[in-house]
Amino acid sequence: KNEVEQSPQNLTAQEGEFITINCSYSVGISALHWLQQHPGGGIVSLFMLSSGKKKHGRLIATINIQEKHSSLHITASHPRDSAVYICAVRGETSGSRLTFGEGTQLTVNP
Amino acid sequence: DARVTQTPRDKVTEMGQEVTMRCQPILGHNTVFWYRQTMMQGLELLAYFRNRAPLDDSGMPKDRFSAEMPDATLATLKIQPSEPRDSAVYFCASGLVLGVTSGGPAYNEQFFGPGTRLTVL
Repeated sequence: KNEVEQSPQNLTAQEGEFITINCSYSVGISALHWLQQHPGGGIVSLFMLSSGKKKHGRLIATINIQEKHSSLHITASHPRDSAVYICAVRGETSGSRLTFGEGTQLTVNP
Repeated sequence: DARVTQTPRDKVTEMGQEVTMRCQPILGHNTVFWYRQTMMQGLELLAYFRNRAPLDDSGMPKDRFSAEMPDATLATLKIQPSEPRDSAVYFCASGLVLGVTSGGPAYNEQFFGPGTRLTVL
């Protein structure tokens, strides 16, 4: 079992739909990151959080430390949101090392 | 607009050749990471530096890979000799560690470079 599990692996949605991507992890963490990888390969850090909720535009990230679970939500999805979304955790005892999930491929159709 | 830069963006080489990848972190960032991404393994941390000192290189095959920071504006990842299984996209990322708390290093997000796509024939 991987330390970081994401679901679903693939997600296809229609423009305007509300999207949720889930991330579960099995170790104690000091922080969790959500990354976005565009079709061209570039990686952008969306959020870094260790508790509660963060919002940026149409993106919302939540984390429940007790349940070792985080969700990434996209409201009013758009085709330009199509990308791979990657969850990564920084373990309590791993310094700055990140452990990555396998990613969720999101396709938003017009 | 501050960005992490990487060179080259694409590299095709023959097995056995030396490959050097370069990264310029964002000015002022004190932590530099090297990652490798393949279809099979996804993203993996190879090594990272803080204030130019290597802190963790346990993800890096030591026999052929080496990572250095000759100065604060340049990080290098070298493969010698290269093998076909080294074909991957290599990302550099930088961040700023602000201090150390009881929960570990306190730092802001990591900023990724565009990557170097390496193909070893």
